[in-house]
Amino acid sequence: DSGVTQTPKHLITATGQRVTLRCSPRSGDLSVYWYQQSLDQGLQFLIQYYNGEERAKGNILERFSAQQFPDLHSELNLSSLELGDSALYFCASSVDGASGQETQYFGPGTRLLVL
Amino acid sequence: DQQVKQNSPSLSVQEGRISILNCDYTNSMFDYFLWYKKYPAEGPTFLISISSIKDKNEDGRFTVFLNKSAKHLSLHIVPSQPGDSAVYFCAASAASTLGRLYFGRGTQLTVWP
Repeated sequence: DSGVTQTPKHLITATGQRVTLRCSPRSGDLSVYWYQQSLDQGLQFLIQYYNGEERAKGNILERFSAQQFPDLHSELNLSSLELGDSALYFCASSVDGASGQETQYFGPGTRLLVL
Repeated sequence: DQQVKQNSPSLSVQEGRISILNCDYTNSMFDYFLWYKKYPAEGPTFLISISSIKDKNEDGRFTVFLNKSAKHLSLHIVPSQPGDSAVYFCAASAASTLGRLYFGRGTQLTVWP
């Protein structure tokens, strides 16, 4: 158990809909990261938050947004869903995330299926 | 652009023997490397890491070797056990990109009795 929790575990929805994925980091970690794993792409970095502020952005679509709340949990919002958004979404956390030499600990993931 | 590459999608090893998983990278700015293990329906689990100032790091049965000039790293598992059967991901990061991890596509390791 990494200490990172994610809900829900599974999500099935229809194209055009909007969903929210939730992540709670390990106790004491200030940085939260979101990654997408699709069949043909491997694990791709989406976005990083540190103590409530966006710190780095990766290959995140404009239809996707995220935020980190004062209690440090984070939510990833996916809107206008398309079939191609079906993937595993992982959240990870680390203590700081500024040095580039930290270990990130991953949650169990949310499996999203868009029909 | 795949900056971290794992060219072997699968590896099969007999129990008790050595497993060697390989990883290549293209970005010379990477200075921290990690290996993760992933079982089906679970998130990646951290195994071992190495900083670019070292060329070897050992933790129990797991050893990671880094060859900066070749931009290559490898994970050695000795002795291999059936419970090691999983997908292994190599990841890299750079101070310039803060905490962002770049992942390879993984190698499926199967350890058979």
